Amino acid sequence: DAGITQSPRHKVTETGTPVTLRCHQTENHRYMYWYRQDPGHGLRLIHYSYGVKDTDKGEVSDGYSVSRSKTEDFLLTLESATSSQTSVYFCAISERAGGNQPQHFGDGTRLSIL
Amino acid sequence: SQELEQSPQSLIVQEGKNLTINCTSSKTLYGLYWYKQKYGEGLIFLMMLQKGGEEKSHEKITAKLDEKKQQSSLHITASQPSHAGIYLCGAVPNNYGQNFVFGPGTRLSVLP
Repeated sequence: DAGITQSPRHKVTETGTPVTLRCHQTENHRYMYWYRQDPGHGLRLIHYSYGVKDTDKGEVSDGYSVSRSKTEDFLLTLESATSSQTSVYFCAISERAGGNQPQHFGDGTRLSIL
Repeated sequence: SQELEQSPQSLIVQEGKNLTINCTSSKTLYGLYWYKQKYGEGLIFLMMLQKGGEEKSHEKITAKLDEKKQQSSLHITASQPSHAGIYLCGAVPNNYGQNFVFGPGTRLSVLP
């Protein structure tokens, strides 16, 4: 199994509070991704990183920011959480981009915003 | 943008039966990936297909990519309760893209 650790695994918080989710990898892969998974929408890309301090937006980036100060860590921040951000969040990594490289996923963080 | 459709949405089979799940793309696939997800867990990578006509097998699961690279099928032979879960296909829109898109998933239940 790919060495990907997401923390926390579960979190309940209130609307308007800041939330940071962490993804830590031990594979030294260049690319890291944050997805959210919701019923009826499937998996959607929030942000991704293609190197230290290099990030870009995905399909559903509004309300989220990311940071990557080290190869192994990719942080997802909700500056002011809203109920619509209640979801299961997955981190993924890949060695290279493109069609010849799968992404490997962490176990997810279940986030509930009341 | 590329979209992936999966059929069926859900499937209930008796243990020992064979089954097929399909994934269809609106555009040419540059890489097609099959994943399995159990409830409350992450996605487990199963197989990757790149070339038209390619077929790969792992244990009792076989995946194929058609010649036109717009459709893939996942076939499970002699299903077992351990095969139960959600199967998702994923793809990249081009050969250098990072933006994976995923199908909505097929929920498989295997009755003992």
